[in-house]
Amino acid sequence: LAKTTQPISMDSYEGQEVNITCSHNNIATNDYITWYQQFPSQGPRFIIQGYKTKVTNEVASLFIPADRKSSTLSLPRVSLSDTAVYYCLVGDEGDNNDMRFGAGTRLTVKP
Amino acid sequence: DAGVTQSPTHLIKTRGQHVTLRCSPISGHKSVSWYQQVLGQGPQFIFQYYEKEERGRGNFPDRFSARQFPNYSSELNVNALLLGDSALYLCASSLGITEAYEQYFGPGTRLTVT
Repeated sequence: LAKTTQPISMDSYEGQEVNITCSHNNIATNDYITWYQQFPSQGPRFIIQGYKTKVTNEVASLFIPADRKSSTLSLPRVSLSDTAVYYCLVGDEGDNNDMRFGAGTRLTVKP
Repeated sequence: DAGVTQSPTHLIKTRGQHVTLRCSPISGHKSVSWYQQVLGQGPQFIFQYYEKEERGRGNFPDRFSARQFPNYSSELNVNALLLGDSALYLCASSLGITEAYEQYFGPGTRLTVT
């Protein structure tokens, strides 16, 4: 499975758009990119998954450039409740679902 | 619909003891995975079971074992507990086995080894 690199922490203010970038230089042709959110003392929660270009759902957007060596999770108009750890994972559809979490990015939203 | 449930919520054990953690997946989900999360780190994959068979194993010692029952619930067993086994143990269920299937995590079991 490809290794990912994310910033350790980020700060933002309520109402701002937050972009968290993940590097995955060794991503393989069949790999998908998945983002999870985790609050303290809770299990991770799926946010979004994509393969290429742009994916958008009700909570976030995922931007993937043509070379797929990085991806950016975009959270529009964050609120205090978006304070959490965000994990970027890269894996192959052919693998079993043994997701390899890194340390994640700790996002702190301030009032 | 109920989400993934885990029991117990919290557990305190002493070194050398063994522990059994339990997980009930979302109804209809046939895959269950176990993760260990040490404070300040991301979850680390331990096992995945699908249709009652082990389909994946992470880099954990043989003290860790698991099984899945006909109703797709699962148990994680840890023998000869060490202080370093203190962690949040997470269970996740999904419809299928590959990465394409979203995993749903339970609230976890907080294990403290003294």
